[in-house]
Amino acid sequence: GENVEQHPSTLSVQEGDSAVIKCTYSDSASNYFPWYKQELGKRPQLIIDIRSNVGEKKDQRIAVTLNKTAKHFSLHITETQPEDSAVYFCAATGSYIPTFGRGTSLIVHP
Amino acid sequence: NAGVTQTPKFRVLKTGQSMTLLCAQDMNHEYMYWYRQDPGMGLRLIHYSVGEGTTAKGEVPDGYNVSRLKKQNFLLGLESAAPSQTSVYFCASIRQMNTEAFFGQGTRLTVV
Repeated sequence: GENVEQHPSTLSVQEGDSAVIKCTYSDSASNYFPWYKQELGKRPQLIIDIRSNVGEKKDQRIAVTLNKTAKHFSLHITETQPEDSAVYFCAATGSYIPTFGRGTSLIVHP
Repeated sequence: NAGVTQTPKFRVLKTGQSMTLLCAQDMNHEYMYWYRQDPGMGLRLIHYSVGEGTTAKGEVPDGYNVSRLKKQNFLLGLESAAPSQTSVYFCASIRQMNTEAFFGQGTRLTVV
């Protein structure tokens, strides 16, 4: 089955800095890579996703890059704000089973 | 349109007791999942269903059973609860392959 590794487990930044979270996956058949944000006590919610036929996707301050050859993808958040503080999960899906990374706790200090 | 709804939100069980968690979705999604979330472990798949009447084991199925008698409902059962099953449980559903997962609000279960 698919295996997703996510790093770092904790990321602490100052407000206004950039944050980068990286994931690798094992199954070359995976072709859908979503990112979810989970605020404290809440459910995970999709913030951005990318498909295997695209190398990069941007949505305002967040962007995702995908390198299919190396089997890794990354989440980039620019100009971080305190409300970006949350746990972020990457996932890889080859068909109908999303496999999640272990999560990154992002802390943005004002 | 409520999305994905889980009941109950909180529960405390004694070791050996049984319970059922209910997940209901009103989006006509085919695929449904039960995950457990533990600190540092991310979201681990317990069981899943690819359609009404079907279920399959995920990564950590031991101690759990599931049923999907109706397309909109996915039930997770604990026959004899153990302290190791203390966790936050999330149900999720997907409309079709390789699309966004919609999560329920979670169930915090404590087994004492």
